[in-house]
Amino acid sequence: SAVISQKPSRDICQRGTSLTIQCQVDSQVTMMFWYRQQPGQSLTLIATANQGSEATYESGFVIDKFPISRPNLTFSTLTVSNMSPEDSSIYLCSVEDRRGEKLFFGSGTQLSVL
Amino acid sequence: GQSLEQPSEVTAVEGAIVQINCTYQTSGFYGLSWYQQHDGGAPTFLSYNALDGLEETGRFSSFLSRSDSYGYLLLQELQMKDSASYFCAVRDSNYQLIWGAGTKLIIKP
Repeated sequence: SAVISQKPSRDICQRGTSLTIQCQVDSQVTMMFWYRQQPGQSLTLIATANQGSEATYESGFVIDKFPISRPNLTFSTLTVSNMSPEDSSIYLCSVEDRRGEKLFFGSGTQLSVL
Repeated sequence: GQSLEQPSEVTAVEGAIVQINCTYQTSGFYGLSWYQQHDGGAPTFLSYNALDGLEETGRFSSFLSRSDSYGYLLLQELQMKDSASYFCAVRDSNYQLIWGAGTKLIIKP
């Protein structure tokens, strides 16, 4: 299993500002995944972060809005840029086990944009 | 398009058995997994089925029928702490993980 430390756990931000979310994993992993989950909804993959290369973004998500860093095999950040109230959501980072059968999640960041 | 269907809400009584179904329509299939998420918490892994049949882990079991594109999660001896949302997810042939919309399980005493 993997233990992921994610912070901040929650934040209230003003429109137009940016927030950076950090995730630290207790073991080295090739891929880290960033998800968004709006209240009462399912998980939507934002991007996959690989160490040493640019993140791969899913349809509807762009690097200018959600820049990602992956400086090493245990750490990643997701920035939510130029926030609007529509960005209010829970953001989750995750990693998968070596067999690709299960995901482990950070505790999540609950973001509210005023 | 790819889709997973699961009931939006299921209600059961403490101590009873409940089954949460998941049907999928995906381009290819590697496996079906289930996750539990309590309000305010992160999803936690419950089970994974790559082959047909029943997998049992304590009070929870998961079943898969690839020919029917169908699986279910079975929860026995329900406890109040099992009140949560349950998500099924399928790994397709592109290795993408497709998520269901989630089933909210409400348990009454």
